Amino acid sequence: AQSVTQPDIHITVSEGASLELRCNYSYGATPYLFWYVQSPGQGLQLLLKYFSGDTLVQGIKGFEAEFKRSQSSFNLRKPSVHWSDAAEYFCAVRRGTDSWGKLQFGAGTQVVVTP
Amino acid sequence: GAGVSQSPRYKVAKRGQDVALRCDPISGHVSLFWYQQALGQGPEFLTYFQNEAQLDKSGLPSDRFFAERPEGSVSTLKIQRTQQEDSAVYLCASSRPGSRNEQFFGPGTRLTVL
Repeated sequence: AQSVTQPDIHITVSEGASLELRCNYSYGATPYLFWYVQSPGQGLQLLLKYFSGDTLVQGIKGFEAEFKRSQSSFNLRKPSVHWSDAAEYFCAVRRGTDSWGKLQFGAGTQVVVTP
Repeated sequence: GAGVSQSPRYKVAKRGQDVALRCDPISGHVSLFWYQQALGQGPEFLTYFQNEAQLDKSGLPSDRFFAERPEGSVSTLKIQRTQQEDSAVYLCASSRPGSRNEQFFGPGTRLTVL
């Protein structure tokens, strides 16, 4: 069965430290991959996406992600976190063959930023 | 322009009541999605519209759930005879057609069934 796994439910990081959020997927073919952020009371905001080509993608707010086909992973990174990065982060996949593109989400990783 | 809006933002219903949740997509967005997000979980797909046509309703959990988009813009998700397990945040998203286009999400409606 197709699945998206975010192994870390909760991560605490100090402001200014680096952050890496893990995402693993199980799909028959290379899917389209996304990272979204959700702040309390807000809708989901797209941080970045990967369709094909360069496996290192840059997104908004200083985030980047790397697609590793051999590991079926699409991990999100930020070199130096800010207090405003505290939020919940979701990895999502979409079948490239799906003509209208419904998303399948992981369970999310809650990020807490400490001073 | 305005983003996706949803109303009401919060809804409390007694078990057995019917509820209707509204989604106003971004103007011109042909594609519209509904997702259900239970507490502590990621969103799960419910249904998809392209204009007024409901092309995929495979995620609707039961026949108590019904969605419509009669004029191809505003959409309504209706839940009949609500149950406690229906308590969740219901998210609406819209996009231009095509699987590579970004889905823009609304703030959601938090439904609590007592």
